[in-house]
Amino acid sequence: ELKVEQNPLFLSMQEGKNYTIYCNYSTTSDRLYWYRQDPGKSLESLFVLLSNGAVKQEGRLMASLDTKARLSTLHITAAVHDLSATYFCAVVSNTGNQFYFGTGTSLTVIP
Amino acid sequence: NAGVMQNPRHLVRRRGQEARLRCSPMKGHSHVYWYRQLPEEGLKFMVYLQKENIIDESGMPKERFSAEFPKEGPSILRIQQVVRGDSAAYFCASSRIGIDTQYFGPGTRLTVL
Repeated sequence: ELKVEQNPLFLSMQEGKNYTIYCNYSTTSDRLYWYRQDPGKSLESLFVLLSNGAVKQEGRLMASLDTKARLSTLHITAAVHDLSATYFCAVVSNTGNQFYFGTGTSLTVIP
Repeated sequence: NAGVMQNPRHLVRRRGQEARLRCSPMKGHSHVYWYRQLPEEGLKFMVYLQKENIIDESGMPKERFSAEFPKEGPSILRIQQVVRGDSAAYFCASSRIGIDTQYFGPGTRLTVL
């Protein structure tokens, strides 16, 4: 079974600071997704990364994918309170059927 | 264009009762996925369906759980004889094709008393 690990699990950071969330996965996959979940809410798609070296940016968030290292990063630049949420990465199985989710990173941005 | 719809949003059942969770995919989407999320955990895949077909049910418990996606109407996740351990949030997602981005519904939060 494909394993997906995120770290850190919990992250508390001050507004204006930068930080990176890491997502490691255990077997080959060509697609990786990042989702955001607010408390009690559903998941919102942020990025889909389809190839080695892919980089996508939206506002203060930037995601990258290294398929050789089986690693994706989600970089937060100059954090603001509105970014407080839980962030999940998800890797697609080789059959394309299953999404395997990481454990999530709970981000709290402190004013 | 309505997103993925799930109902009910909250469901309370006593041990031994049945729970039925419904999911209507986005318009134009014919692939449906069910996930379970326990408190403070990530989502765990349960089952993947297309219209009238179960494609992959490897994540679904062998007993008490079943899923369907009929030709007409929503997809149904059915849990028979619920136990306290079934308490969780159940999310449905849909996609246009099997390798496409999955869009998630608001979830059904099941509480078993």
